[in-house]
Amino acid sequence: EVQLVESGGGLVKPGGSLSLSCAASGFAFSSYSMNWVRQAPGKGLEWVSSISSSSTYILYADSVKGRFTISRDDAKNSLSLQMNSLRAEDTALYYCTRGNNSTNDYWGQGTLVTVSS
Amino acid sequence: ETVLTQSPDFQSVTPKEKVTITCRASQSIGNKLHWYQQKPDQSPKLLIQFASQSFSGVPSRFSGSGSGTDFTLTIDSLEAEDAATYYCHQYHTLPRTFGQGTKLEIK
Repeated sequence: EVQLVESGGGLVKPGGSLSLSCAASGFAFSSYSMNWVRQAPGKGLEWVSSISSSSTYILYADSVKGRFTISRDDAKNSLSLQMNSLRAEDTALYYCTRGNNSTNDYWGQGTLVTVSS
Repeated sequence: ETVLTQSPDFQSVTPKEKVTITCRASQSIGNKLHWYQQKPDQSPKLLIQFASQSFSGVPSRFSGSGSGTDFTLTIDSLEAEDAATYYCHQYHTLPRTFGQGTKLEIK
């Protein structure tokens, strides 16, 4: 069974940093691209970042480019998102998703990031 | 950026009714259009991939069609458990974008 479990969310002040993690299990993690998608409270879905297998390509939404860094550790079946210079508009539930042939076929339960003074 | 516009934004429907949700793309995206279902307080789940292919385990009452710029998600004989928000999503151009969502309420 594919499982994605996010962690690392919390309350942080504007300008602060936070690191999110996603523990993957139930599939050959190294063979899949992975993504972060976020959802602000009561709002729709927004793609944040993607990383291919072997980290060959890395993509970011313009709204986070230069502030967020996606990475993966295939030995630990883990995906990370380092978030710096956080803003109020980054407040959201952050989902880890598995990328499979251009779809997000499995989603974690999400971890909540709140940016507030 | 490819903008995806869904209609309607909200629909109140009765069980066993047939429901159609549309998604229009601001430019051609071929068939790289996927549909997700998000029930209250749950994470989204993939329903339909590449416009018309049902994902594993999805009930047969869900179907998708379309290509290019116009796409449709159809739910035949709606069930109470289908109360959710439905999103279309394109993977053809960067940035990846989602529609604004269509919320289905069951009467």
